[in-house]
Amino acid sequence: QLQLQESGPGLVKPSETLSLTCTVSGGSISSSSYYWGWIRQPPGKGLEWIGSIYYSGSTSYNPSLKSRVTISVDTSKNQFSLKLRSVTAADTAVYYCTKSRRGLNWFDPWGQGTLVTVSS
Amino acid sequence: DIVMTQSPDSLAVSLGERAAINCKSSQSVLYSSNNKNYLAWYQQKPGQPPKLLIYWASTRESGVPDRFIGSGSGTDFTLTISSLQAADVAVYYCQQYHSTPFTFGQGTKVEIK
Repeated sequence: QLQLQESGPGLVKPSETLSLTCTVSGGSISSSSYYWGWIRQPPGKGLEWIGSIYYSGSTSYNPSLKSRVTISVDTSKNQFSLKLRSVTAADTAVYYCTKSRRGLNWFDPWGQGTLVTVSS
Repeated sequence: DIVMTQSPDSLAVSLGERAAINCKSSQSVLYSSNNKNYLAWYQQKPGQPPKLLIYWASTRESGVPDRFIGSGSGTDFTLTISSLQAADVAVYYCQQYHSTPFTFGQGTKVEIK
């Protein structure tokens, strides 16, 4: 069964770049059926879709974050990654990696999530 | 962007009673070409990631108890828990996948009265 696990620093300084990796196990990231995505949740708040990537590298981003976000995929490691530049305290959140399908863009499963705090 | 608005923000229901959560989209999430509503529901318990309950507005994910019922079409949707169990205490979110950016409702917290 497919499992996803986020990893990366839990603390990032303001104006720096947040970098997270999601490792996929129990299946291939190169499956033609799937899209791989990132969603975040500020403490005590709701869910925000950040963006998604296909194994070929094709991406779709939330316009609200597009100027600061890059999502990439490494098929050799069965991983995909998130970079968010110029972070502020407003970017403090639990970051989840997840999977969807083309045209069937509900999200399942989800990783456990990783809290990233932006603070000096 | 399609704005998703849930109501109420929270509700308290007695065990065994019915709980209903509403979700309204700022534009229709129904595709006329296939007559499907691009709407999903999730359950999130404290300290856990969201769990998919329902997609296509009314199709239960495998393993989801049949007390969870999704209904509605177009812009107005409802998640009903027909007989609330203690295990159902959680925050529930609706999500539209009709168009990007994919967006979620603000969440509805369900508690036991």
